[in-house]
Amino acid sequence: ETGVTQSPTHLIKTRGQQVTLRCSSQSGHNTVSWYQQALGQGPQFIFQYYREEENGRGNFPPRFSGLQFPNYSSELNVNALELDDSALYLCASSLGDRWDTEAFFGQGTRLTVV
Amino acid sequence: AQSVTQLDSHVSVSEGTPVLLRCNYSSSYSPSLFWYVQHPNKGLQLLLKYTSAATLVKGINGFEAEFKKSETSFHLTKPSAHMSDAAEYFCVVSATYSSASKIIFGSGTRLSIRP
Repeated sequence: ETGVTQSPTHLIKTRGQQVTLRCSSQSGHNTVSWYQQALGQGPQFIFQYYREEENGRGNFPPRFSGLQFPNYSSELNVNALELDDSALYLCASSLGDRWDTEAFFGQGTRLTVV
Repeated sequence: AQSVTQLDSHVSVSEGTPVLLRCNYSSSYSPSLFWYVQHPNKGLQLLLKYTSAATLVKGINGFEAEFKKSETSFHLTKPSAHMSDAAEYFCVVSATYSSASKIIFGSGTRLSIRP
């Protein structure tokens, strides 16, 4: 086990609703990244937070937003859900702001938008 | 700009035979390269990484990969496949720093092992 926990494990939402996904980082890690993994595809980078500030973002619209808290846990918020947002959302924690460090992944939250 | 291409979506080998999973990359920066494995219903796990040190990188579970700059490749190999190696494998490219760069995952290669 990596020590990264995500909640909930599964979630069903209706199109247009808002959702919040949560991630608890591995102890001592100050960086968290979020990814979207559609069925049959590789994870796509959404954004990364280092010491509570966003320090990198992928090609996702502003309705995808995040927070990192002083204890380095994190949230991913998605507004105005669309059917294409259905995916596995992965959280990963790491130490430091270098992009070449090992990331430890949680098991993900499976979001279904109907 | 960065990109990564995994050349095979599915590879099937017999137990005890060699494994080769192919990955090509492009990067405007000196890249860092990773291979991650994803077993069903489990989180992604790092197999190995290249960060401009030795070009031949050894990882966990007998896997290794060789960084070939001239070929822009980072293929993953294992001399002898085991049934427990059946999983999805992802090649990943990133830069070391720069908020303008991103971490890019390949589309994955599903490895099947025949008894």
